[in-house]
Amino acid sequence: GIQVEQSPPDLILQEGANSTLRCNFSDSVNNLQWFHQNPWGQLINLFYIPSGTKQNGRLSATTVATERYSLLYISSSQTTDSGVYFCAVEQPGGSYIPTFGRGTSLIVHP
Amino acid sequence: DAGVIQSPRHEVTEMGQEVTLRCKPISGHDYLFWYRQTMMRGLELLIYFNNNVPIDDSGMPEDRFSAKMPNASFSTLKIQPSEPRDSAVYFCASSSTGQGSPYEQYFGPGTRLTVT
Repeated sequence: GIQVEQSPPDLILQEGANSTLRCNFSDSVNNLQWFHQNPWGQLINLFYIPSGTKQNGRLSATTVATERYSLLYISSSQTTDSGVYFCAVEQPGGSYIPTFGRGTSLIVHP
Repeated sequence: DAGVIQSPRHEVTEMGQEVTLRCKPISGHDYLFWYRQTMMRGLELLIYFNNNVPIDDSGMPEDRFSAKMPNASFSTLKIQPSEPRDSAVYFCASSSTGQGSPYEQYFGPGTRLTVT
């Protein structure tokens, strides 16, 4: 099956810093989503981004499907950004079975 | 909308007992997914439904697990008998073909299951 690799696995930032999280996938995908799992365990839908670039406040994401990667940018990080960031991809073929990466664990210190 | 609702939020049970987890998807969504999250295996899809019909249950770990969706607003995941290795956080998610893409999933808060 498709392999999804996220990097870095862990990231520690000072409040106000910027960061880039990466998601590489081993095969063509139809769809890609980014999620944030907050420290209370809630999985929050950040972006649905099979291709192109989207922005939502301090967060933006870019997917280059032809090169099999997606990037999540966090600018001016805040302590509330702490948690684990997952990307999930779905392969062509009509099934709705997503494959999740292992996540990037982010800690933002005040 | 209230989002995806799951109950209970926490469940502690003894090995051998039956456990039932419940999910109410977002109104109007026609896809429903059950996931399990553990430290060792990460997020795993167990089963998903479309229009209340189970489409793929290949992720269900064994016959002790079963899931039903009797109507568009309710689903259950049952474990009978439960075992300590079933301890995990179980998430329900829903999505809609009517709002762009069935791939854009919205997750519930999860049920943290501990089997002793």
